[in-house]
Amino acid sequence: KAGVTQTPRYLIKTRGQQVTLSCSPISGHRSVSWYQQTPGQGLQFLFEYFSETQRNKGNFPGRFSGRQFSNSRSEMNVSTLELGDSALYLCASSSSGRRANYGYTFGSGTRLTVV
Amino acid sequence: KNQVEQSPQSLIILEGKNCTLQCNYTVSPFSNLRWYKQDTGRGPVSLTIMTFSENTKSNGRYTATLDADTKQSSLHITASQLSDSASYICVVSVSGQAGTALIFGKGTTLSVSS
Repeated sequence: KAGVTQTPRYLIKTRGQQVTLSCSPISGHRSVSWYQQTPGQGLQFLFEYFSETQRNKGNFPGRFSGRQFSNSRSEMNVSTLELGDSALYLCASSSSGRRANYGYTFGSGTRLTVV
Repeated sequence: KNQVEQSPQSLIILEGKNCTLQCNYTVSPFSNLRWYKQDTGRGPVSLTIMTFSENTKSNGRYTATLDADTKQSSLHITASQLSDSASYICVVSVSGQAGTALIFGKGTTLSVSS
C-alpha cells in the first residue's frame, strides 16, 4: 500500500512569507502528526490531528497551524516565516485512536529553507 | 519533565563490527519505546517497538532491549554494513487523556566505514 506522501519535497521561501505543506496519510489511517526537525533540536512535535480535530499540540508559536480534512489528509501552515523556521518538516500517520501501541509511519518530509 | 537522552552522540565503526547505542528516559506515564533509523534527508523508519512488558525485540541484525526499572534501552547492531550509516532515534510514547505524545531523543549518528 502507498506510504505517507508529503508535498512538496523542497521549498524555498522568503522571510515574512507564509507556506502550506501537505501530508497524505496511509489509507485508513486517521491520525496525522507533524514534526519539525533541525540539526540542533532534533525532532520536535508540532501537533496531532485525529478525525479532523487537533488532539495534541506542541510548544510552538501560533504562527504554526494545521488542519485535517475529512479524507484524513492534513495541511500545515506557517505564517510570517522566520529564518529559524528552516527545517525538515515531517508528518507521520497512525491508525491509532487513543491507544499508543500503533506504529507511526513517517513521510520523507518537506525541506523548507527560509532566506 | 519528560526527556529522552541518547548516547553516544556520534559513532564511527568499521564494517562488520558490532555496536550498541544507548537511550535513557524519564517519561511518565510510559507507554512504549521505539527505535527509528533515519537516513539523511529521509523520514525515520521504524525498527522496533517495545511495550512495558517486553525486554527484547529483534529486527534482523537490530536487537533492542528495554529495562523498564532503570528506564534504559539499547539498540545493538550486529555485523554492521555500510547501509547502516544513519541516525538512530529513540522515541518514547506517553499516553494520557489527550492522546499520545512522542518524546524524541536527539539521535545517535552512526557512520560505518569500509
